[in-house]
Amino acid sequence: DIVMTQSPDSLAVSLGERAAINCKSSQSVFYSSNNVNYLAWYQQKPGQPPKLLIYWASTRESGVPDRFSGSGSGTDFTLTINSLQAEDVAVYYCQQYYSTPRTFGQGTKVGIK
Amino acid sequence: QVQLQQWGAGLLKPSETLSLNCGVYDGSSSNYYWSWIRQPPGKGLEWIGEITHSGSTNYNPSLRSRVTISVDTSKNHFSLKLTSVTAADTAVYYCARGLTSAWELQGYWGQGTLVTVSS
Repeated sequence: DIVMTQSPDSLAVSLGERAAINCKSSQSVFYSSNNVNYLAWYQQKPGQPPKLLIYWASTRESGVPDRFSGSGSGTDFTLTINSLQAEDVAVYYCQQYYSTPRTFGQGTKVGIK
Repeated sequence: QVQLQQWGAGLLKPSETLSLNCGVYDGSSSNYYWSWIRQPPGKGLEWIGEITHSGSTNYNPSLRSRVTISVDTSKNHFSLKLTSVTAADTAVYYCARGLTSAWELQGYWGQGTLVTVSS
């Protein structure tokens, strides 16, 4: 299994400031034949299902604000939230869909400082 | 807009079989990946398994001996069965569909069903 490890477990950021969440996979999720990373980011608010934010490590899903961005390749990835808004308070998960089982990181809780 | 609606029993006794269903209401169900994911109370997400657009299944090795996922494209719904449940299977169970056809990425999620296993 590919183990996904996120850091930090939680962080508090002032409104309007930047939040960055890291995700590291135990093996590469880069597929050379199509030159993409099989890495997604989800946002989960209390009492709701996860919502897909980003796939292929850096492609925003339709309707996701452009303050959310993803970067990285291979085994190291980052989700950045620029200019944090109150509605961004949530738990964020990375997931690899390179192979089965399709594993998630343990989650990072983002709050307001 | 793709909508997934879940239904099934929410309270089970140890050793019983968990059975959940998920219906899709956008008029299409063929050629998609269908997945189940669960989340124990206050914890993270665990991928249970999927049935692919071609009808094959992939399961989490930790649950493989107890899990069956099936799809009925004629009725636009798919199902999860988990046998011999214990308290450790208490969780919110989510169904999910691939973002586009023939793609394993979970783009659309059901609202979740809390399943509690208790004697």
